[in-house]
Amino acid sequence: AQSVTQPDIHITVSEGASLELRCNYSYGATPYLFWYVQSPGQGLQLLLKYFSGDTLVQGIKGFEAEFKRSQSSFNLRKPSVHWSDAAEYFCAVGAAETGANNLFFGTGTRLTVIP
Amino acid sequence: DVKVTQSSRYLVKRTGEKVFLECVQDMDHENMFWYRQDPGLGLRLIYFSYDVKMKEKGDIPEGYSVSREKKERFSLILESASTNQTSMYLCASSPPLESYGYTFGSGTRLTVV
Repeated sequence: AQSVTQPDIHITVSEGASLELRCNYSYGATPYLFWYVQSPGQGLQLLLKYFSGDTLVQGIKGFEAEFKRSQSSFNLRKPSVHWSDAAEYFCAVGAAETGANNLFFGTGTRLTVIP
Repeated sequence: DVKVTQSSRYLVKRTGEKVFLECVQDMDHENMFWYRQDPGLGLRLIYFSYDVKMKEKGDIPEGYSVSREKKERFSLILESASTNQTSMYLCASSPPLESYGYTFGSGTRLTVV
C-alpha cells in the first residue's frame, strides 16, 4: 500500500534563509509525486509534480523538488524563503497502476517564517 | 479561471442533523473527491467518484454518504451529524487517469455542536 511520511510537523526559518521540507514515500513501482501548499483557511494549491523524466522538478513560487528513488524521497526546496511562504505543505503520492488516480497525502509540515 | 466551489465556508450544525456539503466544478472533470482534514492527521479520503451516479468508499466512509447525479456536482452527506465529524472538509476534482492535477475547493469548516 502507498504511504507518505513527512517527518517534520513544524519548521521555523528566517526570511531569506533556505528551506528543505522532507518527504518519504512507500510504493512498489514508480510513483507519481506531488507537493501542495495550503495557506490559512484555504484549499490546497499544487506547487509541483513528478511523473517521469528529469528527477529535479521546478514548480511555482520558486520551489523545486528532487526525486531520489534510492532514498524513496521527494524533498521540497527553496533557496530563499519569503514571509508569504508561511503555510502548510503536503506531499502526496499517486498510483496509476492500481487503476485509480487517488492521491495519498502526508500529514503535512507547517512552515513559520520569522522576519 | 477554472474552479471548484464549495457552497459554504463555515457551517455550524447540531448533533443528529442531516448535513449536506455541496461541491461544484466547472472543468468537466470525471473524477471528484471528498477529503476531511484534521490537525496531525493530514487529509483522509472519505469518498470519491469517477463518473455520474458512481461512488467508491475511501479510507474513512463511516457516517458519510455521497451523491453524484450530475457530472459537475458531488455532494457529501452526513446522515446524522456527530461531534467527531467536526472538521475541515475539502472537495477536489481531477481529469482522468494519468493526468491527476487535482484542483481543490477552499474547504468547508464544519462544527457540530
